[in-house]
Amino acid sequence: AQKITQTQPGMFVQEKEAVTLDCTYDTSDPSYGLFWYKQPSSGEMIFLIYQGSYDQQNATEGRYSLNFQKARKSANLVISASQLGDSAMYFCAMREGTKTSYDKVIFGPGTSLSVIP
Amino acid sequence: GAGVSQSPSNKVTEKGKDVELRCDPISGHTALYWYRQSLGQGLEFLIYFQGNSAPDKSGLPSDRFSAERTGGSVSTLTIQRTQQEDSAVYLCASSPNSEGLGYGYTFGSGTRLTVV
Repeated sequence: AQKITQTQPGMFVQEKEAVTLDCTYDTSDPSYGLFWYKQPSSGEMIFLIYQGSYDQQNATEGRYSLNFQKARKSANLVISASQLGDSAMYFCAMREGTKTSYDKVIFGPGTSLSVIP
Repeated sequence: GAGVSQSPSNKVTEKGKDVELRCDPISGHTALYWYRQSLGQGLEFLIYFQGNSAPDKSGLPSDRFSAERTGGSVSTLTIQRTQQEDSAVYLCASSPNSEGLGYGYTFGSGTRLTVV
């Protein structure tokens, strides 16, 4: 079963506008972490933001914020004031935790974001 | 080194040949991961090493794929009898300690494998 779902294969946003990239996940583990990564056309994977399942507040990192809705199993990425350099693939990812060990990170299929001047 | 280093950056090989891909993680990072990314696709987990524990090989697609990590540092991913469907970018990542959900990975630049 798909653990991470990103329903938007491609998105467009006007420069300086905000954009939300959707991510839903599936886990029965009460302890988990959610990540967003950016992959520009150069191919490098860039870590953007992290949200823990027990974190009380939504994570923020500069222009990135994570809209975490635990009951809905949703972890949408919000990019404020989009810039041309934000054009890239964006991957939502999850790591599940158990009592004694932590597992690999599973990635979603990605959303391609294009910022229009 | 300062980052995760992968070599070669590009590899073209003939179908049926064996290839070895190398990953040198960030010094001190105990966890090391291999992923595969086919053209326009997401990341597919292959294998995960954590310290001296037995690796998690659950993502290896066939017995033609194997990986080892020597001395808890450098890792080599080996693909035997390569097939055209093995063509992809192979990404390596490391993290300081997998015993912590908050640790994001640091990725290498990848090896682009083309099987002709």
